[in-house]
Amino acid sequence: DTEVTQTPKHLVMGMTNKKSLKCEQHMGHRAMYWYKQKAKKPPELMFVYSYEKLSINESVPSRFSPECPNSSLLNLHLHALQPEDSALYLCASSPGRNPINSPLHFGNGTRLTVT
Amino acid sequence: AQSVTQPDIHITVSEGASLELRCNYSYGATPYLFWYVQSPGQGLQLLLKYFSGDTLVQGIKGFEAEFKRSQSSFNLRKPSVHWSDAAEYFCAVGAPNSGYALNFGKGTSLLVTP
Repeated sequence: DTEVTQTPKHLVMGMTNKKSLKCEQHMGHRAMYWYKQKAKKPPELMFVYSYEKLSINESVPSRFSPECPNSSLLNLHLHALQPEDSALYLCASSPGRNPINSPLHFGNGTRLTVT
Repeated sequence: AQSVTQPDIHITVSEGASLELRCNYSYGATPYLFWYVQSPGQGLQLLLKYFSGDTLVQGIKGFEAEFKRSQSSFNLRKPSVHWSDAAEYFCAVGAPNSGYALNFGKGTSLLVTP
């Protein structure tokens, strides 16, 4: 069982819809991440929050909007997505930002399909 | 910027046989190196990591990896593969100059045959 919980597990949305992906961890981790993973590809970093502040935005289109309401929660708000945005969206957390003593803990992801 | 290459897209191994998955990195100094495993429909799980010290690193599930600076490699090994090891394996590199953000290789898909 993963200690990072992502909901929903699957999401189908139209290009005009607004939806949100949710991620929750109760390990006291202070860094949280969103990754996007296309089929048969490695995860690509989208956003990093450190102590609830956005510290990295990897030039992600504005139709993806992250939010970190508190240290346990991370949301990804979706609006006006394109079919090519269909992918597995992975949330991860770590105690701090140095990956050697703060390894990433991944959730099982949300499988998003944009129609 | 640091990068990592996994030369093998697919590897097929018989159950009980030994396994070696290759990973080569590009970075001026010693990077932070990781191996992650991803089963179908799941997130990634950390197998092991290396930054300094003993170049042979032990991980979970019986895996180990050896850092070879002269070859810029960090290959993953397991002496006897189990059917449950079938999964996608990702090598990753991180460095302080990139805010420790991990850069993943393209992955190696492992198939285990009876």
